[in-house]
Amino acid sequence: QVQLVESGGGLVKPGGSLRLSCAASGFSFSDYYMSWIRQAPGKGLEWVSYISSSDSTIYYADSVKGRFTISRDNAKNSLYLQMNSLRAEDTAVYYCARGLARHCSGSNCYFLSWGQGTLVTVSS
Amino acid sequence: EIVMTQSPATLSVSPGERATLSCRASQSVSSNLAWYQQKPGQAPRLLIYGASTRATGIPARFGGSGSGTEFTLTISSLQSEDFADYYCQQYNNWPLTFGGGTKVEIK
Repeated sequence: QVQLVESGGGLVKPGGSLRLSCAASGFSFSDYYMSWIRQAPGKGLEWVSYISSSDSTIYYADSVKGRFTISRDNAKNSLYLQMNSLRAEDTAVYYCARGLARHCSGSNCYFLSWGQGTLVTVSS
Repeated sequence: EIVMTQSPATLSVSPGERATLSCRASQSVSSNLAWYQQKPGQAPRLLIYGASTRATGIPARFGGSGSGTEFTLTISSLQSEDFADYYCQQYNNWPLTFGGGTKVEIK
């Protein structure tokens, strides 16, 4: 059974940093691309970042480019999101989500499995 | 960036009735469109991909149609467990983008 468990959220001041983790189990983590997707309180979903199975390809939303860094450790079945220079508008529940293949190839870039999310609150 | 627009924002439907949700893309996304259902406090669940293919385990009352810029999610006979938020997502171009959502509520 696929399981994704996010951790690392919390309250942080504007300008601060936070590192989110996503522990994966129940599938061969190294065979799938992963993404972070967030949802501000009471708002819709926003894709944040993508990493291919071997981390050869990485993409970011413009809203986080230059501030956030996605990474993965296939040996530890874990996905990470390093978030720096945090802003109030980064306040959201952050979900990790699993794709369908090693790479997103245009016809398969949707998400079969999601974690339960971790809340990040940026406030002074 | 492709902008996805969902309508209506809120849909009030009686149990057993049909619900029709719309999703429009600012440019063609071919059939590279997915639909998700999200209940309060839960993660989204994939319903439809490829505009019209139901994901594993999704009941047949959920149907997707459309291509290009206009898409529809139809729930043929609403069950109590179907009252939730629904989001479309295009995956034809980077960045991946979601619609603003439609809330299906009990009438």
